[in-house]
Amino acid sequence: EADIYQTPRYLVIGTGKKITLECSQTMGHDKMYWYQQDPGMELHLIHYSYGVNSTEKGDLSSESTVSRIRTEHFPLTLESARPSHTSQYLCASSGTASGNTIYFGEGSWLTVV
Amino acid sequence: GENVEQHPSTLSVQEGDSAVIKCTYSDSASNYFPWYKQELGKRPQLIIDIRSNVGEKKDQRIAVTLNKTAKHFSLHITETQPEDSAVYFCAVRTVGGTYKYIFGTGTRLKVLA
Repeated sequence: EADIYQTPRYLVIGTGKKITLECSQTMGHDKMYWYQQDPGMELHLIHYSYGVNSTEKGDLSSESTVSRIRTEHFPLTLESARPSHTSQYLCASSGTASGNTIYFGEGSWLTVV
Repeated sequence: GENVEQHPSTLSVQEGDSAVIKCTYSDSASNYFPWYKQELGKRPQLIIDIRSNVGEKKDQRIAVTLNKTAKHFSLHITETQPEDSAVYFCAVRTVGGTYKYIFGTGTRLKVLA
C-alpha cells in the first residue's frame, strides 16, 4: 500500500462553511494531485502540483484552492461550501523513485447540507 | 490536450469467461498507460501498466496490449471471478515533464456467478 493519507475521511458540513481537506504523503513524491469523483463515476482532475510552490488547475473547473508549501503536504480548501460540492475527493501522488506511477489516498467524502 | 475514451461503460460476463476493456487516446507522444481497479467504496488501485516501448504485458490472469499506431490499449482479464467485479479505469500520462494523468470514464465490470 502507498503511504498517502487523507483527513478527514468523512465530513458533513453546512452551506457557507470553510473546510480544508488534508493530504500527506511520506514517499517523497514531487508530484501531487486532487481528483473529484462521484461514486463509481469518472475521476476529474481539479488541481495538481509539480513540486513545492507550484500548483496548477486541472481539467475540471473547481471553486477550491490548493497550496504546496511542503513536499509532503497538499491541502485543498473550500472557502464557502455549497451542496454542489458534495462528492468524494481523492488525493494522489507520483514520483521518480516509484516510476512516476500515481498512487491514491483513501479519499475524503464531503457532504454539504 | 490529451483525450481518453474508454469502452464499454458496463460489461457483464459469466464467471470463467474473459473480459476486454479498450481505451483510445489522442496524443501519439504519450508513453505510459496504467490500469486501475476500484472496488466499491475504495481507492483506485494499480493492477497493471504498460510503457510505449512494449506491445504486451501479462500478470497472471490480467494482460494489457498496446497498439501505438492506432493509439489504443486494452485490458484483458481471463477466467473471470466474482472478485473481479469492480470499476476499471484506464489512464494516460501526458508528456512534457508534467506527469499529469488523464483517466478514462471507467468500465463497470460485473462477473456473474
